Amino acid sequence: DVVVTQSPLSLPVTLGQPASISCRCDESLLHSDGNTYLSWFQQRPGQSPRRLIYRVSNRDSGVPDRFSGSGSGTDFTLKISRVEAEDAGVYYCMQGAHWPWTFGQGTKVEIK
Amino acid sequence: EVQLVQSGAEVRKPGESLRISCQTSGYTFTTYWIGWVRHMPGKGLEWMGLVHAGFSATKYNPSFEGQVTISADESISTAYLQWRRLKASDTAIYYCARHDNSDQSFDFWGQGTLVTVTS
Repeated sequence: DVVVTQSPLSLPVTLGQPASISCRCDESLLHSDGNTYLSWFQQRPGQSPRRLIYRVSNRDSGVPDRFSGSGSGTDFTLKISRVEAEDAGVYYCMQGAHWPWTFGQGTKVEIK
Repeated sequence: EVQLVQSGAEVRKPGESLRISCQTSGYTFTTYWIGWVRHMPGKGLEWMGLVHAGFSATKYNPSFEGQVTISADESISTAYLQWRRLKASDTAIYYCARHDNSDQSFDFWGQGTLVTVTS
């Protein structure tokens, strides 16, 4: 299975400051169809996961534009330009390029 | 509006059977895969498997094959996750989610079902 490694696992952030989460895979996520299948999910306390980003950099409907995704091949990043209180929670990346799909361990974002 | 509504929390003893459900609405059930994801206490997310009512097909993560059965009833737009013999280690929150084939990702999620297996 593709191993997906997130860092850091814990990220204390100050309101209004930027935050960045790394997601590294041990195989390239560039699929033979030309797409790169890497998604990001947010899970707030007590809620189910919510997709934020798909195919590396596409924001889902209703996701604030302070969230952005980037990367290629094996290295990907989720950035929050200015953290707000509602951004607290656990963030997961997920690869959909190789069977079986796998998630990263999760990064807990907490507001200082 | 796409919605996935899961059945309520369950408490079972080891060795008992269980089936939990995920009722969908707001889209054509037979045109999307539905997946199940396990979230064990203090752990990350694990994708378990998928079902497609339109294709009458299932796909399992090899780590879960033989441990659970995933099925669907097209007539009521509902997917199921079933155990024949539960173990304490099956204690977790289980989420259903709609699989977006064009993005190889899960775009809509259910609210989760807590399954507790304890003697």
